[in-house]
Amino acid sequence: EPEVTQTPSHQVTQMGQEVILRCVPISNHLYFYWYRQILGQKVEFLVSFYNNEISEKSEIFDDQFSVERPDGSNFTLKIRSTKLEDSAMYFCAHSFGDGVSEQYFGPGTRLTVT
Amino acid sequence: GESVGLHLPTLSVQEGDNSIINCAYSNSASDYFIWYKQESGKGPQFIIDIRSNMDKRQGQRVTVLLNKTVKHLSLQIAATQPGDSAVYFCAESLNQAGTALIFGKGTTLSVSS
Repeated sequence: EPEVTQTPSHQVTQMGQEVILRCVPISNHLYFYWYRQILGQKVEFLVSFYNNEISEKSEIFDDQFSVERPDGSNFTLKIRSTKLEDSAMYFCAHSFGDGVSEQYFGPGTRLTVT
Repeated sequence: GESVGLHLPTLSVQEGDNSIINCAYSNSASDYFIWYKQESGKGPQFIIDIRSNMDKRQGQRVTVLLNKTVKHLSLQIAATQPGDSAVYFCAESLNQAGTALIFGKGTTLSVSS
């Protein structure tokens, strides 16, 4: 199974601060996703990203969130002004491309907002 | 992937037994389904998938069954081992890259030796 890596593994921030979560892509993967999982709950879709554009996003992904892939390198999720309820595990996922739907998840970043 | 009726939040089995984890999905338009395993502190790990043109698919020690009539999905694990202990999630999607996976509630499988 292709490995996805994420940094940092744990991020602690104060409410109102900006955070950037990073995902290291696999070279031949074309689609990127962010999901989150609040402690003890199910995994929730945030956004999918293809060809440097958002292809789909959920209601959770409001104006406080943004994604980009600067220089074709790391895939990032930015939360502009964190709230207490943003505390969760954030998972990056990848899939190969057209006709192949399997999504492979990274180990996650635990975000704690205090 | 909402789990209704047949969903059990926890399942306890003995080592060597067969395990069956159930999931009821919500969207009739979904045509792609995946089972993930999540161990404590880790991301979801792909186990097996199935497309809607099939009703059964087998992997190594795992079998996924799909009943589109009642929108039901199950994961069967043969000869369950302690290392199988984890939370198992089903997820549904459209069968195309780039679309969201909608996860169901997880089932915590505990295997005792």
